[in-house]
Order: sequence, then C-alpha cells, then structure tokens
Amino acid sequence: DIVMTQSPLSLPVTPGESASISCRSSQSLRHNNGYNYLAWYLQKPGQSPQLLICLGSDRASGVPDRFSGSGSGTDFTLKISRVEAEDVGVYYCMQTLQTPTFGQGTKVEIK
Amino acid sequence: VQLQESGPGLVRPSETLSLTCSLSGGSLSSYYWTWVRRPPGKGLEWLGYIYYNGNTNYNPSLKGRLTISVDPSKNQFFLKVTSVTAADTAVYFCARGVPMSGILSWLDPWGQGALVTVSS
Repeated sequence: DIVMTQSPLSLPVTPGESASISCRSSQSLRHNNGYNYLAWYLQKPGQSPQLLICLGSDRASGVPDRFSGSGSGTDFTLKISRVEAEDVGVYYCMQTLQTPTFGQGTKVEIK
Repeated sequence: VQLQESGPGLVRPSETLSLTCSLSGGSLSSYYWTWVRRPPGKGLEWLGYIYYNGNTNYNPSLKGRLTISVDPSKNQFFLKVTSVTAADTAVYFCARGVPMSGILSWLDPWGQGALVTVSS
C-alpha cells in the first residue's frame, strides 16, 4: 500500500497570513501519462469533506484562488494564502494511483 | 448531482451494517461509486468503490467483510459490512469518484454522511 504522510498534524494560523501543509507518499504518484493522482480535501466542522485540489495542482470548481496545490512524484504541498476564519477544519491528501489511501489529516485552527 | 446516505443508525455487534446511497441529478454511468468513513476522533478511511460496470475494489484492511453493489434502475449503490464491532462505529460517506485517463482521480461530490454506531 502507498502510505501518505502529512505534516504538520496541527496548524494554528492567524487570519490574513499564509499556511502550508505537506503531503508525502511512499511511492511516486506520477503516472506515465503525466498526471499526479493526488487530491486535497477539506472537512469543515459538521460537514462532509469537500474537494479542493485534484491531480496535484488543479483547483476544483468554486474553490477560492487562495488555495493552491503544487508538487509532483512523492512530495506535494497545499498552500492557503490569506487564511480566513472559514478555512478551519481538517485537511486531507489522498492518493488514487493505487488502492486509495488518505493522509492522517491536518487540523487547521485559528490562533 | 447530489448523494444521500441512508440506513440504520445502530447496529448490534457481530451483525451486518447496511447503507444505501441515493443519487439524484445524474446517472451511475462512467464513475467510481465510493464509500469512505471517519471513526470518531480519527481521520478518513477509504473503504472501497464499485465502477459502473460492476468492478469493485476494497480496502484490504477490512479483510473481506465489505461488499459494495449497485442498482442502476434505482440510481442507488450499497455498502454492507459484516461481523461489525465497535471499531466500525463511524460516520459513513458515499461519494462519486471521477476518473482521469481511466484511473480514479478524485471524489466529488460527497453525501452528507450517516452516523452508524455499533453497540449492544
């Protein structure tokens, strides 16, 4: 199985500042078709998870442009520029190149 | 497209957990219909999916206790988990898996989730 490791697991943030979450996989998620099969999700308190980023760096429809994804292979990053109070929740990366697996989750809270 | 989970909120230990996911605003064709759960205090766990052609893929850690099936005539798909224990207590989500180049790529949208408690 591909193991997904996120860091940090807890991230206090100040509104207006930027924040980054790292996601590393135990094997490359880059297929020979050029796509990285890595997605980012946010689960806000009391809600179901929502898609933020797919294929490593493609922002999902309706997601604010302050969210961005980058990386390739085994190292990926989700960046939130200008954090807002509504961004609190648990962020997960998920790989689907092989049998799908999630990272442990990163809890983002306001300082 | 909207998804809605339904099923019993309480299941006895050793019995079978059964959930239904109902799809509205779309069809089951060409997607991976997926189940994910989140146990209390823990992270998300992928359970498995069924492709619209009936092919399935399950989380090996569930050791053969999972069955996912689909009824296209009702626009529904289903989850069964046998021999449940307290460790199966979780919020269960259904989601649509979108393929890119024939490979499951992301999950969107998700249902609201259904809390299932395993207790006697």
